[in-house]
Amino acid sequence: EVQLVESGGGLVQPGGSLRLSCAASGFIFSSYSMNWVRQAPGKGLEWVSYISSSTSPIYYADSVKGRFTISRDNAKRSLYLQMNSLTAEDTAVYYCTKTDAFDIWGQGTMVTVSS
Amino acid sequence: QAVLTQPASLSASPGASASLTCTLRSGINVGPYTIYWYQQKPGSPPQYLLRYTSDSDKHQGSGVPSRFSGSKDASANAGILLISGLQSEDEADYYCMVWHSSASVFGTGTKVTVL
Repeated sequence: EVQLVESGGGLVQPGGSLRLSCAASGFIFSSYSMNWVRQAPGKGLEWVSYISSSTSPIYYADSVKGRFTISRDNAKRSLYLQMNSLTAEDTAVYYCTKTDAFDIWGQGTMVTVSS
Repeated sequence: QAVLTQPASLSASPGASASLTCTLRSGINVGPYTIYWYQQKPGSPPQYLLRYTSDSDKHQGSGVPSRFSGSKDASANAGILLISGLQSEDEADYYCMVWHSSASVFGTGTKVTVL
């Protein structure tokens, strides 16, 4: 079964950092590009970042550029999102998704930025 | 002006057809774009439905019923998701997406209510 499982979410203070992880199974992880997409409470979907199968190229949404870093470890079948300088506007459920079609989604991990 | 605009809501009766539009911003021609569609039910992650570029270049998501189909309306500069034979289980939020200038952009989402 193709599966994506996110972890690492939680409550963090404004200005703080958090690292999200996404564990992939059921497919050849190293062959596919991956993305992070987020959804603020009661809001729509917002794409965050893309990484190709070979780690280059990488793209970011303007809203996170310079603060977030996407990475992957193909040997560990894992995707990561390092989030720094967090603000309340970053509060959302963060989803890991497969390929540029977003054809598989994880269940998401909640990130809450609040003092 | 947003890159992709969707009507906020749509209501239809069981068994009817529902046509969801995803309009591209003026100046961005829908012709060469691939339009992706997702369904999201409350409390669940989005699910990939299909992608549509043209009648000769389209893809149905795994397990997605054939009553979900995609098309384009060039005159309206829009992508269209047609749901035929509406069922109560189709009640959900629907999002379109395109890749534009090395960034993924989601539409604002349409809430479909089956009366």
